[in-house]
Amino acid sequence: DGGITQSPKYLFRKEGQNVTLSCEQNLNHDAMYWYRQDPGQGLRLIYYSQIVNDFQKGDIAEGYSVSREKKESFPLTVTSAQKNPTAFYLCASSIKRQETQYFGPGTRLLVL
Amino acid sequence: SQQGEEDPQALSIQEGENATMNCSYKTSINNLQWYRQNSGRGLVHLILIRSNEREKHSGRLRVTLDTSKKSSSLLITASRAADTASYFCATALGTGNQFYFGTGTSLTVIP
Repeated sequence: DGGITQSPKYLFRKEGQNVTLSCEQNLNHDAMYWYRQDPGQGLRLIYYSQIVNDFQKGDIAEGYSVSREKKESFPLTVTSAQKNPTAFYLCASSIKRQETQYFGPGTRLLVL
Repeated sequence: SQQGEEDPQALSIQEGENATMNCSYKTSINNLQWYRQNSGRGLVHLILIRSNEREKHSGRLRVTLDTSKKSSSLLITASRAADTASYFCATALGTGNQFYFGTGTSLTVIP
């Protein structure tokens, strides 16, 4: 079953805590993306990666970090520097840049 | 500022009617894509239309692109209750790697 998965579905963060959101794909896609979606809003790009061991900041990268050690995996860490992390986080992949993106089911991050 | 803007923000129609939503953008694009999002879920790709294309069809979906007006429209014919969702356009620009998403149109189809 090919696809893109995200875990967990819900994540709770305490003040000052770093948390990591998982994103895995078995579509053999080179490009992967992280987006943030706030209520009633569109998607804003946090980070993207076109190839293993390379990634670029998107429009709202401050307070976030990523790694791309494997083609299949693109985890996102929400650091304590991100002061307003409550949002819906979506991971996506595409075979190459500017082509169709395939999205995971999302992770909803809440602050305790 | 966001590249794509959908219009209207919200649309409510009866089952069986057609639904039309529009997307306007600001700069030249390589392609434009439409996505659907059911509440609390990930996005699902509907159609990709390239800058040299004017119209594409997929089942009950019809997308047009007018590059002179920098706008696109998505038409859903014979709507069903299951079409209730938010619809987003996304634009791919120049040699960049990013897509720019609009704020979406929320469609409600009343059975």
